[in-house]
Amino acid sequence: AQSVTQLDSQVPVFEEAPVELRCNYSSSVSVYLFWYVQYPNQGLQLLLKYLSGSTLVKGINGFEAEFNKSQTSFHLRKPSVHISDTAEYFCAVSEGGGADGLTFGKGTHLIIQP
Amino acid sequence: NAGVTQTPKFRILKIGQSMTLQCAQDMNHNYMYWYRQDPGMGLKLIYYSVGAGITDKGEVPNGYNVSRSTTEDFPLRLELAAPSQTSVYFCASRTGTGAGELFFGEGSRLTVL
Repeated sequence: AQSVTQLDSQVPVFEEAPVELRCNYSSSVSVYLFWYVQYPNQGLQLLLKYLSGSTLVKGINGFEAEFNKSQTSFHLRKPSVHISDTAEYFCAVSEGGGADGLTFGKGTHLIIQP
Repeated sequence: NAGVTQTPKFRILKIGQSMTLQCAQDMNHNYMYWYRQDPGMGLKLIYYSVGAGITDKGEVPNGYNVSRSTTEDFPLRLELAAPSQTSVYFCASRTGTGAGELFFGEGSRLTVL
């Protein structure tokens, strides 16, 4: 069975600084990988996804992530954060697009400091 | 575009009461899901459905029931509510092909006292 580890529960960053949110997964088969963002009191919305092809994936709001199969990682990055990026970020994995949905990490709270 | 609609948004229950969380989607998605979110724990899958009349258990199904009589609706029933069911519940849907993204509702915050 697949699992997802988000190594940091909280990441404080100054505004306009770069940020990396770390995600590692474990799976015995090929996977699809996702990053979702949750703003306060809202549902989750998709930031980006990796299905196949180029290992560098670009998403909305200037975020990107790199799939590294040898490291079993899918870290999320943004070169310059804004106060509006304050949110909870979830990494998720699906084994081959199975019907039983996504397995989520515990989330990383990104805190932008002015 | 309504997407995935959940009702109610907030509810307080007493221990032992029952209730149903409603979920409806207007995207003609075959696959629907119920997750619960607890602080610092991410999202856990309760039940899912791959089409009308077909449901299956997820990781944490105990204390819950679901039904899927139409493509659009996927209600979650809580029987004999317990404090451990205090959580935020999210309904989500996706197409049945490939690795389509999940579309989420805005959540239902349930407190059991």
